[in-house]
Amino acid sequence: EVQLLESGGDLGQTGGSLRLTCVASGFSFSTNAMTWVRQAPGKGLEWVSGISSSGDETYYSDSVKGRFSISRDNSKSTLYLQMNSLRADDTAKYYCAKDRSSWQYWGQGALVTVS
Amino acid sequence: EIVMTQSPATLSVSPGERVTLSCRASQSISSKLAWYQHKPGQAPRLLILDASRRVTGIPARFSGTGSGTEFTLTITSLESEDFAVYYCQQYNKWPPITFGQGTRLEIK
Repeated sequence: EVQLLESGGDLGQTGGSLRLTCVASGFSFSTNAMTWVRQAPGKGLEWVSGISSSGDETYYSDSVKGRFSISRDNSKSTLYLQMNSLRADDTAKYYCAKDRSSWQYWGQGALVTVS
Repeated sequence: EIVMTQSPATLSVSPGERVTLSCRASQSISSKLAWYQHKPGQAPRLLILDASRRVTGIPARFSGTGSGTEFTLTITSLESEDFAVYYCQQYNKWPPITFGQGTRLEIK
């Protein structure tokens, strides 16, 4: 069974940093691209960032480019999202999801609040 | 960036009814479109891939059609568990991958 478990959600300060972690199990993590998607309170879904299976290719939305960094440790089946220079509009539930461009498997989300 | 526009924003319907949700892309995305169902407190659920391919385990009352710029998701004979927000999402040209703003399906 595919499982994705996010952690690291917290209350962050404007201008501060947080790191989200997503631990994967139930599938071959090292051969799958991964993605972060977020949903701000009362808003729709927003694609944030993606990473190739090897970690060589990374992609970002314009809203987080230059501030967020996606990475992975295939030896630990773990995906990361380093969030720097946090802004109030980064407040959202952040989901990790398996695969590159459409997602059948999602975590339950990590709540990030920036104030 | 490809902009996805869904209509209507909200749809009030009764259980047992048939409903059609629309999604339009700002440029052609071929058939690279997915539909998701999202309920509060839950992760989004992938329903349809490639505009019309139902994901394994999704009930047959859900169907998707379209290509190019115009797409629809039809739910026949609505059940109580179907009331949720539905999003379309394009993956033809990215980054960025883009979602529609969602259609809320509520009980009349």
